[in-house]
Amino acid sequence: EDQVTQSPEALRLQEGESSSLNCSYTVSGLRGLFWYRQDPGKGPEFLFTLYSAGEEKEKERLKATLTKKESFLHITAPKPEDSATYLCAVRATAGGTSYGKLTFGQGTILTVHP
Amino acid sequence: DGGITQSPKYLFRKEGQNVTLSCEQNLNHDAMYWYRQDPGQGLRLIYYSQIVNDFQKGDIAEGYSVSREKKESFPLTVTSAQKNPTAFYLCASSEGWSTEAFFGQGTRLTVV
Repeated sequence: EDQVTQSPEALRLQEGESSSLNCSYTVSGLRGLFWYRQDPGKGPEFLFTLYSAGEEKEKERLKATLTKKESFLHITAPKPEDSATYLCAVRATAGGTSYGKLTFGQGTILTVHP
Repeated sequence: DGGITQSPKYLFRKEGQNVTLSCEQNLNHDAMYWYRQDPGQGLRLIYYSQIVNDFQKGDIAEGYSVSREKKESFPLTVTSAQKNPTAFYLCASSEGWSTEAFFGQGTRLTVV
C-alpha cells in the first residue's frame, strides 16, 4: 500500500527565516510526486511535479527536490503570504493495485510571522 | 476559462437523506477524482475514474456512489449509509496517469 508521511505537522517561521518541509514516501514504483499549496477553505493549488531522483523544480521562493525515498520543499526567505498548508502526493507505476490513484500525505501547516 | 467547477459551495443535509455533489470540468481530462478532507487531515480518496463509464473505489468508498456518463462530469452521491458525512469534499481531474491533478474549490457538506 502506498504511504506518504509529511513532517513536521506544523512549522512556524519568522519572515525571512528559511526552512524545509519533508515528504517521505513508500510506493511500488514512483510515477510522479506532486506538491500542492492549500489555503483555508479552498481547493489545493498545484505547485510542482517531480518524476525522478535528483530532479529539482523552482518557483519564486520555493524549491522542490526528490530522492528515492523522500522529497523536500525548501522555502527561502519566506513571507507572510507563504502561510498555507503544503501537501505532498504520489502516484504509483502501472500494474500495481494502486495504479491511477493519487495518494496524499497529511500536510504541513506553515505559518510565517512578519 | 478552463477549470473544475464544484457546486454547491455549501450544502446542508438532514440525517437519512441522500445528496449529490456536482463536479464539472472543461479541461478535456480523462481522469477524475473525489476526495474527502476532515479538519486537520489530509485528503482521502473516495472514488476515481480513468475513463467514461468506468470508475474504481478509493480508500473510503463505503456510503458513497458515483457515475461517469460524460467525460466532463463526475457527480458524487453521499448516501444515508455514510455514517459521518460532514466534511469538505474535493473534486479533481488530470490529463493522464503521470500528470498533476487540478482541483475544484470544494463543497462543504454539513449534516443537520
